[in-house]
Amino acid sequence: LAKTTQPISMDSYEGQEVNITCSHNNIATNDYITWYQQFPSQGPRFIIQGYKTKVTNEVASLFIPADRKSSTLSLPRVSLSDTAVYYCLVGDMSGQNFVFGPGTRLSVLP
Amino acid sequence: NAGVTQTPKFQVLKTGQSMTLQCAQDMNHNSMYWYRQDPGMGLRLIYYSASEGTTDKGEVPNGYNVSRLNKREFSLRLESAAPSQTSVYFCASSPGRDRGSELFFGSGTQLSVL
Repeated sequence: LAKTTQPISMDSYEGQEVNITCSHNNIATNDYITWYQQFPSQGPRFIIQGYKTKVTNEVASLFIPADRKSSTLSLPRVSLSDTAVYYCLVGDMSGQNFVFGPGTRLSVLP
Repeated sequence: NAGVTQTPKFQVLKTGQSMTLQCAQDMNHNSMYWYRQDPGMGLRLIYYSASEGTTDKGEVPNGYNVSRLNKREFSLRLESAAPSQTSVYFCASSPGRDRGSELFFGSGTQLSVL
């Protein structure tokens, strides 16, 4: 199973752009990179997914270099409500081999 | 559209008691999952069901059993609860196939085993 490494915690201020980097050195050819967000007392929520280059949706952008050994989740102009734990996962499209690590705890300060 | 519904939301058990956690989804998803989350940790997969009629073990299956009752429902049973099973349990579903990695989670069941 592909393992990921991401910072345990990050602090930011409202209005700033936040970039969370994830390392996944042994990513397999069939693996995609998926990010989830979890608020306290809630289940995780799917944010974004990509295979290579850049993916953007209404919530975030995901940057993946050519070697795919890392990826960066970019949250534009964060607000207090973006305070959450963010999980980076790699796995194939079945979703059956996901491994949730401890994630990155993002704190957005006023 | 309720999404993924879990019951109960809270439960306290005594060691050795049994109980079943219920999960239902109304999105016509093929795959369903049970995870547990311990304080300060990520989620760990207990069991999953890729499609109706099939179930497979995940990372931490010991002490649990599951039933995929039909396409909508996936239950998790603790036959003889132990304090080590105190955790928050999340059920999830996904469309499967080319959207299998897009999991939709329920709001969780907080279980305490005394």
